[in-house]
Formats: sequence, structure tokens, C-alpha cells
Amino acid sequence: EVQLVESGGVVVQPGGSLRLSCAASGFTFDDYAMHWVRQAPGKGLEWVSLISWDGGSTYYADSVKGRFTISRDNSKNSLYLQMNSLRAEDTALYYCASNYYDSSGYQVIEYFQHWGQGTLVTVSS
Amino acid sequence: DIQMTQSPSSLSASVGDRVTITCRASQSISSYLNWYQQKPGKAPKLLIYAASSLQSGVPSRFSGSGSGTDFTLTISSLQPEDFATYYCQQSYSTHMYTFGQGTKLEIK
Repeated sequence: EVQLVESGGVVVQPGGSLRLSCAASGFTFDDYAMHWVRQAPGKGLEWVSLISWDGGSTYYADSVKGRFTISRDNSKNSLYLQMNSLRAEDTALYYCASNYYDSSGYQVIEYFQHWGQGTLVTVSS
Repeated sequence: DIQMTQSPSSLSASVGDRVTITCRASQSISSYLNWYQQKPGKAPKLLIYAASSLQSGVPSRFSGSGSGTDFTLTISSLQPEDFATYYCQQSYSTHMYTFGQGTKLEIK
């Protein structure tokens, strides 16, 4: 059974830093690119960041670029999100999700396949 | 950036009703459109990928259609477990994914 378990969410002051972790099991972790997606309380979903299977390529939403860093340790089946210069608007439930990607057909198929249950980050003084 | 706009934002319906949710992209995204269902306190779950392909294990009362800029998610006969929030998401823009704002489906 595929499991993604996020951790590290806490209450942090504006301007502070935090590192989130996502522990993966039940699938071959280093076969998959991985995402972070967040959801502010009572709001919709916002994609945050993507890392390639080997960690060699990373991508960010404009709202977090320059402040957040995604990384992974395939030897530990773990995904991370280093969050710096946190703002009130970063308050959200942060999900990790695996990326399904298939380019074998006439159209590339790509979607968020497996999701964790999320870890809550609250930025408040 | 590609903007995704869903309508309506909320919808009241009864068990057995046929329901349609619309998603519009700010530019053409071909068929690079996915639909997710999210229940309170739970992570999103994939329903439809590539605009019209049903994810394995998802009931056949769910269907998707559209291409270009206009897409629909249809539930042919609402069941009690279908009351949830639905999101569309585009995967056309390389490494810059966006979701619609969500449609909350409530019991009438």
C-alpha cells in the first residue's frame, strides 16, 4: 500500500523558517517526481513545488520562489521542503504528492497520483 | 500563467440528480485537464485525467469531457458519498500547475 506521511508542521513566527518532511513507502520512490501542494484554511489547492526523480531539477510557484527549497533523499525515501522567510499567507496544510507521468501515448498524461494527509503550517506572531 | 475558472463555486443538489461542473482555462490546454474530489479532512483524490479518462476504481457515474479551453465534469446520478468539493487542474503548462478554485457540492 502506498503511503505518504508528512511531518514538521508547527506554529512559526513571520520571518521564521521550517523544514517539512514526507516519508514515502509502498512504491519505488526514486521512480517518481514529487510535489508539494498546499491548501490555506477553507481555501483551494495551490501547487508549490516539484522535484525530479533524481533531485536534479526543481520548480517552484512564483509565490514561493526564492524562499522555499525542495529536496529529496532517495536513500531514505524522503521528500523535504525547506521554508524560509515565512509569511502569514504561507499558512496552510501542506501535502506531498507523487507525480504520475506517461509520455508513451499520443498525449502526455500527468497528474498528482498519491497524496499524503498533510501537515499544518501556521505562520503567526 | 494559465488561470483555471470553475463554475459554479457551489451547488446544491439531491441524491439521484445529474450534475455538471464547468472548468474554463485562460488559454487552450488541449486535453491536459484533470479532475479531483476532496472530502472534508481528506486529501484530494483523482477522478478523471486527460479530460475524459476515468481513473481506475472511480465509479462510472463520473465522466469528463472537453478540450481546448472548456471542460465539464458530470455526475450522472448523485450518490450520498459524492457530496464533496471538486477541483480541475491543468497539466499543460510545463512545471507550472494550476487548479481551479473548487466547486462545493452540497446536499439540497
